[in-house]
Parts: sequence; C-alpha cells; structure tokens
Amino acid sequence: DAGVTQSPTHLIKTRGQQVTLRCSPISGHKSVSWYQQVLGQGPQFIFQYYEKEERGRGNFPDRFSARQFPNYSSELNVNALLLGDSALYLCASSLDPGAPRNGELFFGEGSRLTVL
Amino acid sequence: AQTVTQSQPEMSVQEAETVTLSCTYDTSESDYYLFWYKQPPSRQMILVIRQEAYKQQNATENRFSVNFQKAAKSFSLKISDSQLGDAAMYFCAYKENYGGSQGNLIFGKGTKLSVKP
Repeated sequence: DAGVTQSPTHLIKTRGQQVTLRCSPISGHKSVSWYQQVLGQGPQFIFQYYEKEERGRGNFPDRFSARQFPNYSSELNVNALLLGDSALYLCASSLDPGAPRNGELFFGEGSRLTVL
Repeated sequence: AQTVTQSQPEMSVQEAETVTLSCTYDTSESDYYLFWYKQPPSRQMILVIRQEAYKQQNATENRFSVNFQKAAKSFSLKISDSQLGDAAMYFCAYKENYGGSQGNLIFGKGTKLSVKP
C-alpha cells in the first residue's frame, strides 16, 4: 500500500503570492493533519481534518486554510505569503485520532516551500 | 499548555555503542501518548517507539527502548548497538488521548544524532 503522498515536493514562491499544497492519505485513513516545520525546529501543528470536518487548529493566522475532500485527500492553502512561511510542510494521516488508543500518525515526506 | 523539551541539540555515538536521548514534557493530563520520531535527511518522519502513559512498563522495539518516568515527566530514548543508519534528527512528541486536541502532536525541537564508524 502506498504511504502518505504529498505534492509538490519543492516549490518557490515570492512574497504576497498564494500556494496550495496537496496530500493523499493512506488508503482507509480518514484523518489528515498538517504541520509546519521551520528549519532547525520541530513540526508545529496547523490543522486536523476528520471526515471532511475541521477537528483542530493550531496557532496560525487566517492566511492559512485547509479542506478535506470526500476521498479524504486534503489541501493546505496559504495566502499572502511571507518570508517566514518558508518551511517544510508535513502531512500526516491516521485512522481516527478520536478513537481511544488509536490514531497513530503516518507522515509524508513533505513539501518544501521557499518564499523569496 | 503542554510543552516538550529536548535539551540536547546534538549527540554523537560510536557505532555499536549505546546512546540515550533526553526528553522532558509538561502536562496536567493523566492520559496521553509519548513518541519518538526519527527524521532522516529524506525528511519523512518515522515512528521509532510509542509509550502510553497508563502503562508503567517501558516500551521496547528491538534496539530502541525508553525510560518513562511519569512522575518526573521524563521520557528518554536509548539506542543500543548504534548503526550508521540511526544517524538522523530525533524528535520527542506528546499527544493527548482525549479532548479537542486529541490528534495534535506537540514536538520538541529535536536532537541531531551522529554515528561515527
């Protein structure tokens, strides 16, 4: 079975532009989470979606938005890009993070965004 | 708010030797998970080992084991018989088991492990 897949793997944008990152979860997984990993830091939680509904949101500005589609894939959108948005964006999928003793996260290889 | 602290930015170990990576965390919850993830240069986060807070027995996965001290809020990772392929960034992470943020992992800043041949 394929793991979590993300696209694109690398992209370069300029300040003020908008970007869309995509994620396909492992087959059968219904939850997708997004994390931002700035160079030299641990990942920070941005969003979690389960069954197409937002389950959680981290401390990120409204320029960040996401959605989950009926096939459980997800998109992360970032508007009005700033230099500080340069980071590795990781997507993770899980079966159901709300189920007790369940919800192990499986990560993709990430999308490296550079904002110039 | 929950926090995870890794006080060792970098560690080095000789091949075949043993190394211990430290992690402390802060939480008022009693039911949670703790994880160690490995991130090689390929960037993909790989789960190394997990510990459920309600289990007193320390988790073990082959050459990897943890020392979980719940009262001290400490969760260290021991790697035995270190191999060149163990070289990577290691992240300690925390997750609540219930509540609104139940799917949210909180990561430490990571420890870069080098393995010398």
